[in-house]
Amino acid sequence: GEDVEQSLFLSVREGDSSVINCTYTDSSSTYLYWYKQEPGAGLQLLTYIFSNMDMKQDQRLTVLLNKKDKHLSLRIADTQTGDSAIYFCAETYSGNTPLVFGKGTRLSVIA
Amino acid sequence: DGGITQSPKYLFRKEGQNVTLSCEQNLNHDAMYWYRQDPGQGLRLIYYSQIVNDFQKGDIAEGYSVSREKKESFPLTVTSAQKNPTAFYLCASSIRDSTEAFFGQGTRLTVV
Repeated sequence: GEDVEQSLFLSVREGDSSVINCTYTDSSSTYLYWYKQEPGAGLQLLTYIFSNMDMKQDQRLTVLLNKKDKHLSLRIADTQTGDSAIYFCAETYSGNTPLVFGKGTRLSVIA
Repeated sequence: DGGITQSPKYLFRKEGQNVTLSCEQNLNHDAMYWYRQDPGQGLRLIYYSQIVNDFQKGDIAEGYSVSREKKESFPLTVTSAQKNPTAFYLCASSIRDSTEAFFGQGTRLTVV
């Protein structure tokens, strides 16, 4: 079955770059997403990448996709205290199939 | 403002009681989803609906029920058969044939 793995915790200093990693098992995954969850809130879509892309950049966010290794990463440049949250990787292979989520990585930013 | 509204934000119930969580969206989305979140467990799919009057079980549907009588609404009932109902419940919606899901703010259910 489908499985998405993430490390549970990451701690960085303010101003440094953060890299959150994700691996998935389903080779047919076509759509890969990163969501952010602040305490007690719902999930906010941050960015996404399609499987025919290797990289996508959106302001401070850079997504890298290695299809061969089924590895996805989210890089946050110049990390701020407001970036402290849980980050979820999610994947699916079609528009009629619900997203499968990883367990989330809790990012702590130290001032 | 368009969006997804979950109510209430906090809900307390006694063990053995059924409880219904509300999810309403005015985004004109066809598909709606219910996920359960437990600490360290990520999000697990309970039920989803791609169209009115139709829904499918997710990975952890036991002890839950849903209905989809209107496009805007997808209520989730947590029944007394659910053994560990205390959790954070998240509702989401998306345009049909789209994978981009938009989430509500969640309902934290505590069963005592």
